[in-house]
Amino acid sequence: SQTIHQWPATLVQPVGSPLSLECTVEGTSNPNLYWYRQAAGRGLQLLFYSVGIGQISSEVPQNLSASRPQDRQFILSSKKLLLSDSGFYLCAWSPATRVNEQFFGPGTRLTVL
Amino acid sequence: GNSVTQMEGPVTLSEEAFLTINCTYTATGYPSLFWYVQYPGEGLQLLLKATKADDKGSNKGFEATYRKETTSFHLEKGSVQVSDSAVYFCALETGGGADGLTFGKGTHLIIQP
Repeated sequence: SQTIHQWPATLVQPVGSPLSLECTVEGTSNPNLYWYRQAAGRGLQLLFYSVGIGQISSEVPQNLSASRPQDRQFILSSKKLLLSDSGFYLCAWSPATRVNEQFFGPGTRLTVL
Repeated sequence: GNSVTQMEGPVTLSEEAFLTINCTYTATGYPSLFWYVQYPGEGLQLLLKATKADDKGSNKGFEATYRKETTSFHLEKGSVQVSDSAVYFCALETGGGADGLTFGKGTHLIIQP
């Protein structure tokens, strides 16, 4: 069966510090991968999606970036965090042949102070 | 562009009450529609879905019918339980799905014993 992992589960970082959140998927090949952010009162917002290694599409301009160095690994990064980057970050995957069904990881709660 | 509007929360009900959470959408083309649930401290889980007009999605006693004429996908349950307390997200997907989901802001449901 397929599983999706995210780490860390929680993170507290100072403004201006770098960020690296990791997401890995097991039990499937060539998944589509997604990063979402859930901010208080604003619902879920798609940040990035990827259909393959090295292929990243950005939905919202911001100081975040994403990379996919391996088929089942998706990384969310920032060089300098802002207070507004605080939120709950969710990674998700979908089968390449059934893209309208997504499976979500447990999430990372990021607090920027 | 695509958008999803769902009723603001929190919604507080007594156990065994009837539940309706309203969801309406705006989309180009013919979207697939979803309800996701997020239990406290966890990531999102797919609750149910419908991929074409008049389809009814159902799971765990929850139901929602895809109404194209009213662009709605209201979530209902005949008798709620304390364990149903969670945040519920309505979402849609268009264009093959590889570009992610559009989510509503979420509705926090609180069931009191």
